Amino acid sequence: GESVGLHLPTLSVQEGDNSIINCAYSNSASDYFIWYKQESGKGPQFIIDIRSNMDKRQGQRVTVLLNKTVKHLSLQIAATQPGDSAVYFCAENMNRDDKIIFGKGTRLHILP
Amino acid sequence: GAVVSQHPSRVICKSGTSVKIECRSLDFQATTMFWYRQFPKKSLMLMATSNEGSKATYEQGVEKDKFLINHASLTLSTLTVTSAHPEDSSFYICSASPGQFGNQPQHFGDGTRLSIL
Repeated sequence: GESVGLHLPTLSVQEGDNSIINCAYSNSASDYFIWYKQESGKGPQFIIDIRSNMDKRQGQRVTVLLNKTVKHLSLQIAATQPGDSAVYFCAENMNRDDKIIFGKGTRLHILP
Repeated sequence: GAVVSQHPSRVICKSGTSVKIECRSLDFQATTMFWYRQFPKKSLMLMATSNEGSKATYEQGVEKDKFLINHASLTLSTLTVTSAHPEDSSFYICSASPGQFGNQPQHFGDGTRLSIL
């Protein structure tokens, strides 16, 4: 069935280090992927997206990598800051409709 | 840009009450909006797709008579939880996209915390 999952439910990273959050998806028909950040009590906030015709996309301090061969998606956050503490979700869309499917989420914890 | 507003942010009410939640796209028009439910420490679960001017499309297992959706304009969708009971307590979130999805991501409201006593 369609599913998007994450390898680690919790990730602890030293402040200033780089963070890497991983996501596995199972539907090879998915062609659009999004990373969202959700802080406590708030809705998901868009971070970065990538289409299936790309394997890398960079934003401000963030990079998304897509490996379609192994159906793997990752979010890299450079120089992790306390404000990066949140739950991160990957999401996928098959572009046949507007629906997106969310993964389980990874909580990023920043160590001082 | 692409701001989605939800109201109210929190509701506490008695069992049996019906509760209406509003989702507005503030600076764009949205023919489609989405409603999600999120339990503590869990991911977002899509409940239904709200279609402007037509019936909503519900995901499997979601009771359409329990969760009434109205999308009367291009900037407003409402979710009404009818005869709410404690098991309906949850975090409800809506989303919308300013363009054709696949070209632009969904933007989310800040959610509504519903607590049924």
